[in-house]
Amino acid sequence: SQQGEEDPQALSIQEGENATMNCSYKTSINNLQWYRQNSGRGLVHLILIRSNEREKHSGRLRVTLDTSKKSSSLLITASRAADTASYFCAPEFSGGGADGLTFGKGTHLIIQP
Amino acid sequence: EAQVTQNPRYLITVTGKKLTVTCSQNMNHEYMSWYRQDPGLGLRQIYYSMNVEVTDKGDVPEGYKVSRKEKRNFPLILESPSPNQTSLYFCASKTAYYGSPLHFGNGTRLTVT
Repeated sequence: SQQGEEDPQALSIQEGENATMNCSYKTSINNLQWYRQNSGRGLVHLILIRSNEREKHSGRLRVTLDTSKKSSSLLITASRAADTASYFCAPEFSGGGADGLTFGKGTHLIIQP
Repeated sequence: EAQVTQNPRYLITVTGKKLTVTCSQNMNHEYMSWYRQDPGLGLRQIYYSMNVEVTDKGDVPEGYKVSRKEKRNFPLILESPSPNQTSLYFCASKTAYYGSPLHFGNGTRLTVT
């Protein structure tokens, strides 16, 4: 199935810095969602951006979407230790019907104190 | 409380002994899905269901069965488990509409010896 691919696979930054991770996909989407996974736990929905939106904010999260490049980015500003987690993008494709959200390998983010 | 409940959380079994991992949601969601997560491979979709009595294969369906007799339940059945099915399993649900978020269970860590 089609899915997004996150990049980088791993990212380590100092607390207080900003973290940026990217997602690429291959076909037309209806929307793209970002999820967070704390170690071994179920994924938690963070933010949704629709195909007709270019940028969206939620607290310290900023998501951008460039449908011409088929890519999205997630920016976490002023990172905290609690942001240490894996982050996944999930493009929802325009195939008609909710036939599923699939995930890639994620970006593992480590925030150093 | 709205939730997806998976049981058991941990399971150790032997090769060939049939097992069922249960999944139940109390949000009246149409869509339910099973994923497995393995180191370096990300989350891979096993099976999904868009509604009662409607199930479809995901990316890695071999060795698994599912059923959707009721809207709230979506059990994952391993008829003859093998060691390569040792993994962390997640059940998730959402409404049928584009853009609705997936709600995940807490996971089932399965070890097949």
